[in-house]
Amino acid sequence: EAGVAQSPRYKIIEKRQSVAFWCNPISGHATLYWYQQILGQGPKLLIQFQNNGVVDDSQLPKDRFSAERLKGVDSTLKIQPAKLEDSAVYLCASSWTGTGAYEQYFGPGTRLTVT
Amino acid sequence: RKEVEQDPGPFNVPEGATVAFNCTYSNSASQSFFWYRQDCRKEPKLLMSVYSSGNEDGRFTAQLNRASQYISLLIRDSKLSDSATYLCVVNMKNFNKFYFGSGTKLNVKP
Repeated sequence: EAGVAQSPRYKIIEKRQSVAFWCNPISGHATLYWYQQILGQGPKLLIQFQNNGVVDDSQLPKDRFSAERLKGVDSTLKIQPAKLEDSAVYLCASSWTGTGAYEQYFGPGTRLTVT
Repeated sequence: RKEVEQDPGPFNVPEGATVAFNCTYSNSASQSFFWYRQDCRKEPKLLMSVYSSGNEDGRFTAQLNRASQYISLLIRDSKLSDSATYLCVVNMKNFNKFYFGSGTKLNVKP
């Protein structure tokens, strides 16, 4: 079974530039998550989708971050304009929605450096 | 108050030692519990789910105490390859939401 795919793996941009990340979840997983992980911290949820609808975006800095999952499968996360404090790893994860324990599966992440 | 709290460590132990981590959670409505392992510059990977009755997987044992709202992970006979950060994760089933602790770093030394 293919895992969660993310691209690019690394990105270096200057502050005030824009950047976009892509994620393709595991086939059949209805729930998709974007996390931001700053060095030394646990992942922080930015946005959660159920199919193509947003379940939770309470911690998404909406003045600069946006995300979409138009067809309920793959998703993009955009930052515009980027700030120095956005330097982090952006992790995409997916989980199956059903009964039982809901395990998450993570992609390899995109390491963003804002200079 | 954070949803999930962990001692950041690091825990520095010799090979063969037994080490235990605890994690506390604040929401009594939490329903599913997990330990994830994260290696340096890698993504988190599921280590084990934590069941009410406790569960064991080889050298790893997980326990859940709902009354005190904490989860534990015990690692016996530590190996060098166990060196990693261990993330405690709590799930709110109704919304399929996951809350992560900040992780506990383990260094196993020869």
